[in-house]
Amino acid sequence: GAGVSQSPSNKVTEKGKDVELRCDPISGHTALYWYRQRLGQGLEFLIYFQGNSAPDKSGLPSDRFSAERTGESVSTLTIQRTQQEDSAVYLCASSPGQGAIEQFFGPGTRLTVL
Amino acid sequence: DQQVKQNSPSLSVQEGRISILNCDYTNSMFDYFLWYKKYPAEGPTFLISISSIKDKNEDGRFTVFLNKSAKHLSLHIVPSQPGDSAVYFCAASSGTSGTYKYIFGTGTRLKVLA
Repeated sequence: GAGVSQSPSNKVTEKGKDVELRCDPISGHTALYWYRQRLGQGLEFLIYFQGNSAPDKSGLPSDRFSAERTGESVSTLTIQRTQQEDSAVYLCASSPGQGAIEQFFGPGTRLTVL
Repeated sequence: DQQVKQNSPSLSVQEGRISILNCDYTNSMFDYFLWYKKYPAEGPTFLISISSIKDKNEDGRFTVFLNKSAKHLSLHIVPSQPGDSAVYFCAASSGTSGTYKYIFGTGTRLKVLA
């Protein structure tokens, strides 16, 4: 079956603009995660969705970052008023559900803020 | 404050020899550890995991060792193959809430020389 997909694969934007990144998880996966990887860094947890529970937003770096998920399907990560330090690869992962250990990652969206 | 550390950014190994990738952590509450492999322009893919109740887990050419007293884990690849050339991330989680919110290291780039 299809894996996790993300769009766009690359996004170049100007400082101050808003961007929206999309993630399509594996069908049937109830858990969805967003991470980012800045150059030379590890993967940094941003936000976690599990079913209809309130999302765990503890990793969001500022109030310019928000994410939504429609049911157990598509998720969008929105960054408002982008800054150069937001430049990173944004990775989405899904897993079968609470307690599942393995997370399945998408290919990522490379965001460059000029 | 880096809770999961991979102190070797890169490693080169001859084909057929053993590759040993190391990872240190600081949080004694971590109870699950994973290794992911990442090729360029792709998302990380799950390789092998170990829970804190074990000290070794083996899957084919890949073995993960956990030393809880030293807060250290390592991934052994024997024999190494050119296709193993990738960036390897270790990740740790405290799954007590049922949420596997992993903290990743910065990665080690393995190059297997033919």
